Amino acid sequence: DIQMTQSPSSLSASVGDSVTISCRASQTIYTYLNWYQQKPGQAPQVLIYAASSLESGVPSRFSGSASGTEFTLTISSLQKEDFATYYCQQSYSTPWTFGQGTKVEVK
Amino acid sequence: QVQLQESGPGLVKPSETLSLTCTVSGGSISNYYWSWIRQSPGKGLEWIGYILYTGTTNYNPYLESRVTILLDTSKNQFSLKLTSVTAADTALYYCARQTMTHHGVNWFDPWGQGTLVTVSS
Repeated sequence: DIQMTQSPSSLSASVGDSVTISCRASQTIYTYLNWYQQKPGQAPQVLIYAASSLESGVPSRFSGSASGTEFTLTISSLQKEDFATYYCQQSYSTPWTFGQGTKVEVK
Repeated sequence: QVQLQESGPGLVKPSETLSLTCTVSGGSISNYYWSWIRQSPGKGLEWIGYILYTGTTNYNPYLESRVTILLDTSKNQFSLKLTSVTAADTALYYCARQTMTHHGVNWFDPWGQGTLVTVSS
């Protein structure tokens, strides 16, 4: 299985901050990497697919990038509604696997 | 807009079979992959398996011996059966549609709201 390792597991930030979440794959997955946002009591929702493609309707303050087996999700100016948990997921090979999540909390 | 809704018992006894159904509304079950995913505090998000509209399935090897996913196109539903459950199978179970492009790019969207299944006597 491909292991996905996210860092940090949690972070504290303020509205307006730029936030970066990292995800590392245990082997090459090219750009088969998705990012999801999950708010309490809700199902995850896709933000970015194929490492850097923004899902329709997702604000442009969200962006994704890739370098080898390292992937990054950036929120350029954190908004109140962005406090949530974020997960990466590799879609290169089954079993599809997720990172353990990064919780973005209010500072 | 496609919506998914899970249904099934919220409590299952150890060693019995967990059975859940996902009803798809607002769109056809054809031309997509349909997955089950579960979430628990201990294991995080875990993909269980998918079924394609053709009936082809692919299961997580860790669960493959106990999992069956079936499709009912007449009802626009797909289902999950997980046999011989233990407390470790206690989780929030989600169904999700999986978009797959011709390049193999795929992602889960949308998801159902999830249903909590507790394994306990």
